[in-house]
Amino acid sequence: DAGVIQSPRHEVTEMGQEVTLRCKLISGHNSLFWYRQTMMRGLELLIYFNNNVPIDDSGMPEDRFSAKMPNASFSTLKIQPSEPRDSAVYFCASSLGRGEQFFGPGTRLTVL
Amino acid sequence: AQSVAQPEDQVNVAEGNPLTVKCTYSVSGNPYLFWYVQYPNRGLQFLLKYITGDNLVKGSYGFEAEFNKSQTSFHLKKPSALVSDSALYFCAVRDATPSSYKLIFGSGTRLLVRP
Repeated sequence: DAGVIQSPRHEVTEMGQEVTLRCKLISGHNSLFWYRQTMMRGLELLIYFNNNVPIDDSGMPEDRFSAKMPNASFSTLKIQPSEPRDSAVYFCASSLGRGEQFFGPGTRLTVL
Repeated sequence: AQSVAQPEDQVNVAEGNPLTVKCTYSVSGNPYLFWYVQYPNRGLQFLLKYITGDNLVKGSYGFEAEFNKSQTSFHLKKPSALVSDSALYFCAVRDATPSSYKLIFGSGTRLLVRP
């Protein structure tokens, strides 16, 4: 199994631009988590999906952030418009039900 | 509210010596406890978990952790450290209620193993 796949691995963009981060879950997993990691705030849960349905989006910072699961194996996290304070490493993780979460390698986002 | 404390920002140990990375937690009800490791420019990797049963849990790469309910602790241990164990370690907790899904992570402890 290839594990959780994220793309791109690095993204540098200018303030105001739209950013789309992508995640492919481990085959057979049905839970998907998006996290953000920064030095100041550590690891924060942004949104949680179960069986393609968003269950908890209380961690999404503001309306500029949106996430979708168009099918059972794929998810996107979109930031529009992006701001410098969005600079962070974004991880997605998948699990089978409430089992342990498996993390992707992350996307390092830099907004200039 | 659930919380996890990792009281040490960094732990330094010589190769070959035993290591301990500390974790205490607060959760209503029974806890599910996890340890993850993060190497530079990588995602978090699952090391081990405690759900129920034996208080000593064995995991990947020779690591183990001891659940202590009275002290609400779940310290990570290894009998003999390797330089390659140098990384960032995260403790996480989730309560055991059937609807619970959210992992609460500690702030992380950087382990530095010197040759």
